[in-house]
Amino acid sequence: DAMVIQNPRYQVTQFGKPVTLSCSQTLNHNVMYWYQQKSSQAPKLLFHYYDKDFNNEADTPDNFQSRRPNTSFCFLDIRSPGLGDAAMYLCATSRGGYEETQYFGPGTRLLVL
Amino acid sequence: AQTVTQSQPEMSVQEAETVTLSCTYDTSESDYYLFWYKQPPSRQMILVIRQEAYKQQNATENRFSVNFQKAAKSFSLKISDSQLGDAAMYFCAYYGQNFVFGPGTRLSVLP
Repeated sequence: DAMVIQNPRYQVTQFGKPVTLSCSQTLNHNVMYWYQQKSSQAPKLLFHYYDKDFNNEADTPDNFQSRRPNTSFCFLDIRSPGLGDAAMYLCATSRGGYEETQYFGPGTRLLVL
Repeated sequence: AQTVTQSQPEMSVQEAETVTLSCTYDTSESDYYLFWYKQPPSRQMILVIRQEAYKQQNATENRFSVNFQKAAKSFSLKISDSQLGDAAMYFCAYYGQNFVFGPGTRLSVLP
């Protein structure tokens, strides 16, 4: 089945140690999104790629970066994780822009020690 | 900036009964999109229903329907014949100039 895949499902890192989360999709969608979701809260959009065009939300910390080397893959890099970055990170895709349905991956839960 | 409000942090419903989740939003735009997303425990978020603001007719998807009141800026979700599998966090979302989720409503379904 076509889907959005996130690896790993759980990631443990140390305070200040760079970490990369990955997302892949078999839907051939143009747009890929990264969200941060803390416990019992709504997902917070970090950034998205429309094809190769990167769009950063105004309040996304500089500590968060993203790469999209091809249509299928997108990475979230956290350069120096702090304790406050512990959260669930959700990847989503859509065929077009925000007006279209977003398809979410299962998420990666990040723990910062 | 647009805001989305879900005034019910938690709701519960008896299996086979009907429940309505509320959502209101603030916008000055006339053309926009509204969504309800469902996030079951430990499972991925999925779209429940989508509404285009320029369409007068309320969207429906099987047991799920919305009551879209554009003038009142209200977009409630009605779940009929509730099932145990409907237990989840439900997020209302808005897209106009920007995309934003509401804070969510946790729905419990009682057997």
